[in-house]
Amino acid sequence: QKEVEQNSGPLSVPEGAIASLNCTYSDRVSQSFFWYRQYSGKSPELIMSIYSNGDKEDGRFTAQLNKASQYVSLLIRDSQPSDSATYLCAVAPGYSSASKIIFGSGTRLSIRP
Amino acid sequence: IAGITQAPTSQILAAGRRMTLRCTQDMRHNAMYWYRQDLGLGLRLIHYSNTAGTTGKGEVPDGYSVSRANTDDFPLTLASAVPSQTSVYFCASSLTSGDYNEQFFGPGTRLTVL
Repeated sequence: QKEVEQNSGPLSVPEGAIASLNCTYSDRVSQSFFWYRQYSGKSPELIMSIYSNGDKEDGRFTAQLNKASQYVSLLIRDSQPSDSATYLCAVAPGYSSASKIIFGSGTRLSIRP
Repeated sequence: IAGITQAPTSQILAAGRRMTLRCTQDMRHNAMYWYRQDLGLGLRLIHYSNTAGTTGKGEVPDGYSVSRANTDDFPLTLASAVPSQTSVYFCASSLTSGDYNEQFFGPGTRLTVL
């Protein structure tokens, strides 16, 4: 059973601080990694994708990938109240043309003023 | 239309009734997906289609069927609804079904089966 694990939270972070969200996965051949943000009552929104070891930065967001340790993380700098949402980690196995993304259950992030 | 649309937005359905959830995308994506999202269980794949004319079963296909007659539309049918199918249903699409398949989601359908 391929799994993607996230701490469900809630993770409470003060406004302006760095929020760190972590995700581990079990399938060593995984190739593609995604972070989605989901506001309450809304659909998931893709915010970051990463395919190579290391860091990928996009504005206040940085995704970090370590395939040897099988974890991917998302850092949010200068956290804002609008960042309060559930963050879903998703992993694609990447071994066939029918590879299917597996989603974690999500980490609920709360930014406190 | 921009992106993915789903209809209806919400529905209350009597058990035993047939229901079709509609999904349409205008991004010319080859692959489409149906997920259900339940509290504590995350997103679970029901059915998928890698390209028009093909479909496949996901993690929780029982009680659901799909068709993919063309690129844009991917309806999900509940032949005889049961209360355990109460959930939020999301349709998604991606340019391809292979690696690097960034998926984009529709707004969802909230279904209640009584």
